[in-house]
Amino acid sequence: DVKVTQSSRYLVKRTGEKVFLECVQDMDHENMFWYRQDPGLGLRLIYFSYDVKMKEKGDIPEGYSVSREKKERFSLILESASTNQTSMYLCASSLYRFSNQPQHFGDGTRLSIL
Amino acid sequence: GESVGLHLPTLSVQEGDNSIINCAYSNSASDYFIWYKQESGKGPQFIIDIRSNMDKRQGQRVTVLLNKTVKHLSLQIAATQPGDSAVYFCAEGSNTGNQFYFGTGTSLTVIP
Repeated sequence: DVKVTQSSRYLVKRTGEKVFLECVQDMDHENMFWYRQDPGLGLRLIYFSYDVKMKEKGDIPEGYSVSREKKERFSLILESASTNQTSMYLCASSLYRFSNQPQHFGDGTRLSIL
Repeated sequence: GESVGLHLPTLSVQEGDNSIINCAYSNSASDYFIWYKQESGKGPQFIIDIRSNMDKRQGQRVTVLLNKTVKHLSLQIAATQPGDSAVYFCAEGSNTGNQFYFGTGTSLTVIP
């Protein structure tokens, strides 16, 4: 089975801090994704990456950046955390570049910005 | 952006009954669809998928139906069990796109 591991289940940070969320997958998948999940809004794509050092903006990239230095690891960075970034963050991976095969998700990081 | 919606935000069923969860999608170019289950405190879990060259696909106790004419997708769960209580949402993708669009989900509650 594919395993997508997010480094923290719960995280509390302060406004203005730089926050790093880490994600690792163990199945040599090309694609990795970062979403945020908010009640009533569903999953919204922040960034994705289809190769090492490659990144593409999703629907809501403002206030975020990403890093993919190794194929198995995809990091989400909140450059200067704000309270409106309090959310559940989900990482996912998929085997190939196109959206015609399943995405596999981690268990999420619930981030609170105070 | 794409619009993927669910007809009912909540659904309650008796244990042992069948459940039907619906999803509407708007992009005619979408040709791949997935149903996910998300339990409280966990990430979405893949249940079943279907491609647009099929109308129906069956898994273990689950069936997905695709009606491309009206852009409608449904998930049927047979003999619903308490462990099926979760949020279910659909996602649409394509073999030319590189991102999925997700519905907001239906919360299924199974009454013992």
